[in-house]
Amino acid sequence: GENVEQHPSTLSVQEGDSAVIKCTYSDSASNYFPWYKQELGKGPQLIIDIRSNVGEKKDQRIAVTLNKTAKHFSLHITETQPEDSAVYFCAASPQNGNRLAFGKGNQVVVIP
Amino acid sequence: NAGVTQTPKFQVLKTGQSMTLQCAQDMNHNSMYWYRQDPGMGLRLIYYSASEGTTDKGEVPNGYNVSRLNKREFSLRLESAAPSQTSVYFCASSEAGWGYGYTFGSGTRLTVV
Repeated sequence: GENVEQHPSTLSVQEGDSAVIKCTYSDSASNYFPWYKQELGKGPQLIIDIRSNVGEKKDQRIAVTLNKTAKHFSLHITETQPEDSAVYFCAASPQNGNRLAFGKGNQVVVIP
Repeated sequence: NAGVTQTPKFQVLKTGQSMTLQCAQDMNHNSMYWYRQDPGMGLRLIYYSASEGTTDKGEVPNGYNVSRLNKREFSLRLESAAPSQTSVYFCASSEAGWGYGYTFGSGTRLTVV
């Protein structure tokens, strides 16, 4: 089955700087890659996703890039703000499946 | 639009007691899922239901049972709770098939003493 790994496990950034979280996946058949944000005491919330026919997608201060050859995808957060502090999960889904494989999550801390 | 609703939000059980965690979604989604979240372990799939009338085991099904009551509701039952089942449980739903994200509930924090 699909195996998704996230690095680093914890990331601290100064407010206003950029944060980048990278995920690698094992199944070359995976074609859908969502990112989730989980704030303390809440459930994960979908913030952005990308499909394999696209190399990059942006939504305001967040963007996701995909490198299918290397089997990795990354979340980029620019101009970080304290409210960006959360745990971020990446996931991958093969085209012939209906289940997401999740990474273990990254703790992002934005230092004011 | 409530999305995915989980009850209860908190629960304390004694070892050996049973309970059912309830989950309902109002988005007409076909697929529903139960996850548990433990520190350092990420989200682990317990059971899922790809469509009404079907259920399948995930990564960590031992000690749990599920019921897909109808398209809206998917319950998780602990028949004889153990301290190892102390966790935060999340229910999620999605459209069937490939390429759809999940909508998660707000979670149930369960402590087994």
